[in-house]
Amino acid sequence: NAGVTQTPKFRVLKTGQSMTLLCAQDMNHEYMYWYRQDPGMGLRLIHYSVGEGTTAKGEVPDGYNVSRLKKQNFLLGLESAAPSQTSVYFCASTLGLGEKLFFGSGTQLSVL
Amino acid sequence: DQQVKQNSPSLSVQEGRISILNCDYTNSMFDYFLWYKKYPAEGPTFLISISSIKDKNEDGRFTVFLNKSAKHLSLHIVPSQPGDSAVYFCAASDPVGGGATNKLIFGTGTLLAVQP
Repeated sequence: NAGVTQTPKFRVLKTGQSMTLLCAQDMNHEYMYWYRQDPGMGLRLIHYSVGEGTTAKGEVPDGYNVSRLKKQNFLLGLESAAPSQTSVYFCASTLGLGEKLFFGSGTQLSVL
Repeated sequence: DQQVKQNSPSLSVQEGRISILNCDYTNSMFDYFLWYKKYPAEGPTFLISISSIKDKNEDGRFTVFLNKSAKHLSLHIVPSQPGDSAVYFCAASDPVGGGATNKLIFGTGTLLAVQP
């Protein structure tokens, strides 16, 4: 079982460049989330989706956009990368309320 | 404003002894708490959870205790094994602020090192 798959695993960007992180899950989960992990900050929610075609802002949404055109995919976009967006990004999904989250293995992004 | 706090960035214990990881929270409306374990270069994986209507939940070597009056929960690992060495995140679910979204609020994590 693949579970939650994130691509790419590593990426280096220059300030101002754009990129898209892809998250794919094969568990037919309704809810999907994007988190970022920074030293001393834990995991902070960027955006989330409670179903296909829906998205909503989390705790730290500025500088990011998301799309959920298909139930199994949740895309995170950076339109104009900034050094403050250097982080490890985790995608997660869950079947529904009260269910545990399944995480991908993360994307290490460096913005120079 | 950190609603979920893990005040110990790291903890070192001997193999076979008990590991106790602590977590404090500020929002009395949190109704569900979880512990996640994270190895380097991997995503967090679910370990154990507890509902706010309980004060203890046990799963093998892992036990979580919840003290609602103190807004405190702890994870006990007995006996500790070298393979338990990882970062442990405490997380809480907010049914009011989060609504029907299943959003979790995470603590900053505690790095556990179990010495052979």
